[in-house]
Amino acid sequence: KQEVTQIPAALSVPEGENLVLNCSFTDSAIYNLQWFRQDPGKGLTSLLLIQSSQREQTSGRLNASLDKSSGRSTLYIAASQPGDSATYLCAVGGKLIFGQGTELSVKP
Amino acid sequence: NAGVMQNPRHLVRRRGQEARLRCSPMKGHSHVYWYRQLPEEGLKFMVYLQKENIIDESGMPKERFSAEFPKEGPSILRIQQVVRGDSAAYFCASSPSPGQGANTEAFFGQGTRLTVV
Repeated sequence: KQEVTQIPAALSVPEGENLVLNCSFTDSAIYNLQWFRQDPGKGLTSLLLIQSSQREQTSGRLNASLDKSSGRSTLYIAASQPGDSATYLCAVGGKLIFGQGTELSVKP
Repeated sequence: NAGVMQNPRHLVRRRGQEARLRCSPMKGHSHVYWYRQLPEEGLKFMVYLQKENIIDESGMPKERFSAEFPKEGPSILRIQQVVRGDSAAYFCASSPSPGQGANTEAFFGQGTRLTVV
């Protein structure tokens, strides 16, 4: 049974800091890994998708890496902004199993 | 290309009634996933469907809950005889088949907030 864990559960940083969110999974037989953000009371917005054959993906200030053999992914956010405050979730597919998320707060 | 559409956005039901939640996937997407989210908790997988086929329902409660994704029309999550503990946000997502092609990104709807009174 696939289990996904995200560390830390919560993170508070001052504006401008670079930060790393961690995601680990127990079964390396995945099709892909996807990072989402969720704002309070809202749905999920897709940030980055990494196929199982890829090592990383980049979009703007976001960079996600994937190491299937060790069952880990990281989401790197550069030069954080208050608008980045949200809960960040990783999910592994096919079945899209989610971690519990990291609640990020970026202070002005 | 419209995104994933869920309706209704808010649904209030009395205990014992039935709740029907609808999810229209993005055009070209053949796979649908349903999740439940309780306040301050993560997304709990419920069921994973392909058109006319349930791929994995290991997260669905054994009683009162059912899901379908017919050949035509939206996917439906049905909750019979609702109880207060069913109150939650229910999200669906859609994707192309995860084993085929380069772009297998999943997209989420805005959710249906079910309140049982």
